[in-house]
Amino acid sequence: QKEVEQDPGPLSVPEGAIVSLNCTYSNSAFQYFMWYRQYSRKGPELLMYTYSSGNKEDGRFTAQVDKSSKYISLFIRDSQPSDSATYLCAMSPISSGSARQLTFGSGTQLTVLP
Amino acid sequence: SAVISQKPSRDICQRGTSLTIQCQVDSQVTMMFWYRQQPGQSLTLIATANQGSEATYESGFVIDKFPISRPNLTFSTLTVSNMSPEDSSIYLCSVDDGTISGANVLTFGAGSRLTVL
Repeated sequence: QKEVEQDPGPLSVPEGAIVSLNCTYSNSAFQYFMWYRQYSRKGPELLMYTYSSGNKEDGRFTAQVDKSSKYISLFIRDSQPSDSATYLCAMSPISSGSARQLTFGSGTQLTVLP
Repeated sequence: SAVISQKPSRDICQRGTSLTIQCQVDSQVTMMFWYRQQPGQSLTLIATANQGSEATYESGFVIDKFPISRPNLTFSTLTVSNMSPEDSSIYLCSVDDGTISGANVLTFGAGSRLTVL
């Protein structure tokens, strides 16, 4: 079993839809939870991060963490064609800054149709 | 956050050859990280490149196959040696974002897409 599981999609939605992207994990030591967005032919860029449990909102994006269920979500409201990208979840325990402790999901490919 | 330039952005290579990928950062950083991204798979850390010392390789990756140089605090190279079609992948350079204390938030280059025939 992978340490982080992410539904690969692809996911196709009409413009304006609410999108839900999810990851599950098995390592209870994870404390930081991140979502990266990767456009075609680009590197991943940090979209949101959350520490421990709870919700965090940034514009049309909401990140949720449920540590009891080991489940994280990213919601996109009023989705736009410009949101079409691959979304990667990532998580790590509290650390000293080494990427060795960062674990990525395999990414969900999202297409928002105009 | 840092700006990372990677080249080549893409290349098509013949089996048995080697290719060196360059990574330039616009600020000095202690550690640089090299990742591999294969279709449908998680980003996989290949190695951590430290200036002035040998790179630290992750399980499944060896120096003979992926030699790394780190001549200064803003530059690193990754060589993919004796390539086979299984090495076809995107290779990404990254550095710690440095803005979130205690978290491993990374900034990535645009990646180098290698196709081995």
